Amino acid sequence: EDQVTQSPEALRLQEGESSSLNCSYTVSGLRGLFWYRQDPGKGPEFLFTLYSAGEEKEKERLKATLTKKESFLHITAPKPEDSATYLCAVQGFSGNTPLVFGKGTRLSVIA
Amino acid sequence: GAGVSQTPSNKVTEKGKYVELRCDPISGHTALYWYRQSLGQGPEFLIYFQGTGAADDSGLPNDRFFAVRPEGSVSTLKIQRTERGDSAVYLCASRSGVAGELFFGEGSRLTVL
Repeated sequence: EDQVTQSPEALRLQEGESSSLNCSYTVSGLRGLFWYRQDPGKGPEFLFTLYSAGEEKEKERLKATLTKKESFLHITAPKPEDSATYLCAVQGFSGNTPLVFGKGTRLSVIA
Repeated sequence: GAGVSQTPSNKVTEKGKYVELRCDPISGHTALYWYRQSLGQGPEFLIYFQGTGAADDSGLPNDRFFAVRPEGSVSTLKIQRTERGDSAVYLCASRSGVAGELFFGEGSRLTVL
C-alpha cells in the first residue's frame, strides 16, 4: 500500500528564515511525486511534479527535490504570503492508481 | 471551463437526509476523481472515473455513497442517509490522462447536523 508521511506537521518561520519540509514515501514503483499548496477554504493548487531521483524543480522561493525515499520542499527567504498547508502526494505504477496524499505541513511565516 | 467547478460550495443538512454534490471538470479532461478531506488531514481518495465508467471505487466508505458521470463530463457524488461523520470537504479533481498532476476544484463543504 502506497504511503506518504510529511514532517513537521506545523512550522512557524520568521520572514526571511529559510527551511525545508519533508515528505517520506513508500510506493510500488514511483510514477510521480507531487507537491501542492492549499490555502484555508480552498482546493489544493498544483506546484510541482517530480519523476525520478535526483530531479529538482524551482518556482520563485520554492525548490523541490527527490530521492528514492523522500522529497524535500525547500523554502528560501519566505514571505508571509507563503503561509499555507503544503501537501505531498505520490502515484504508483500499479494500474490507474489515484494520488495518495500525506497530511500536509502547515507553514506560518511571520513578518 | 477554465477550472474545475464544484457546487454547492457549502451544504448544511440534517442527519438522515440525502445530498448531491456536483463537479464540472476542466473541458476535455477524461479522468475525474473525488476526494474527501477532513480537518487537519490530507485528501482521501473516494472514486475515479475514466470517461463515463467508474474505474476505481475502492475508496467509497460504504454503500451510502455513490457517484455517476453519465456523459463523461459532469459528475455527481450522492450520499444517502447522511451521518454526522460524513461532515468534510468533498474535493473534485480532473486531468487529461491516466498520469500526471490533478487539478482540483475549491471543494464542497458538507456539514451534517
